[in-house]
Amino acid sequence: GESVGLHLPTLSVQEGDNSIINCAYSNSASDYFIWYKQESGKGPQFIIDIRSNMDKRQGQRVTVLLNKTVKHLSLQIAATQPGDSAVYFCAEVAGAQKLVFGQGTRLTINP
Amino acid sequence: DAGITQSPRHKVTETGTPVTLRCHQTENHRYMYWYRQDPGHGLRLIHYSYGVKDTDKGEVSDGYSVSRSKTEDFLLTLESATSSQTSVYFCAISVGTGPGETQYFGPGTRLLVL
Repeated sequence: GESVGLHLPTLSVQEGDNSIINCAYSNSASDYFIWYKQESGKGPQFIIDIRSNMDKRQGQRVTVLLNKTVKHLSLQIAATQPGDSAVYFCAEVAGAQKLVFGQGTRLTINP
Repeated sequence: DAGITQSPRHKVTETGTPVTLRCHQTENHRYMYWYRQDPGHGLRLIHYSYGVKDTDKGEVSDGYSVSRSKTEDFLLTLESATSSQTSVYFCAISVGTGPGETQYFGPGTRLLVL
């Protein structure tokens, strides 16, 4: 597959452990946030989103936490599996503006 | 891929030639987008459309034009391809009512300009 990013931050975890991927966003006016997963050779895939009036949202095996005070977003993946290996992007939206994507974090799973 | 297809999936072309990439959706969503993805830059918006014949520029629009004559198709044209336009191009649609709503992406087109 294509190289999504040659110098991406990388997180390596053991299979079965929990993963936490962090994202710092830039615009304090951003009111909507999305996490995407991108596997090699594929387009970004929606995982979970959160509005700025929330500080936590849970999905299936994933949880997103939002800390507006420090402009920080995190994605927690429970019981990490080999299929979770991918690049993960956060994206922010301010008002009616377009999505602004972060640089991404590469998650690798060790057997 | 939310009913989004892109064609071609791979293309090799020479500097100075025109190239058109096609994005097709099957669900009549109003908003469509073209992004490019390059190492070290993440996803960057080229152009977007908010309806038939309604388009606007993104952050990296120079050297690109778009057209949307039908709801389902959004075309991206490189009038005269340059090596700096070698990239992976993704189309996306927004399923909400505004431009910042959740976007779903197509499978991508890998373009190599020699």
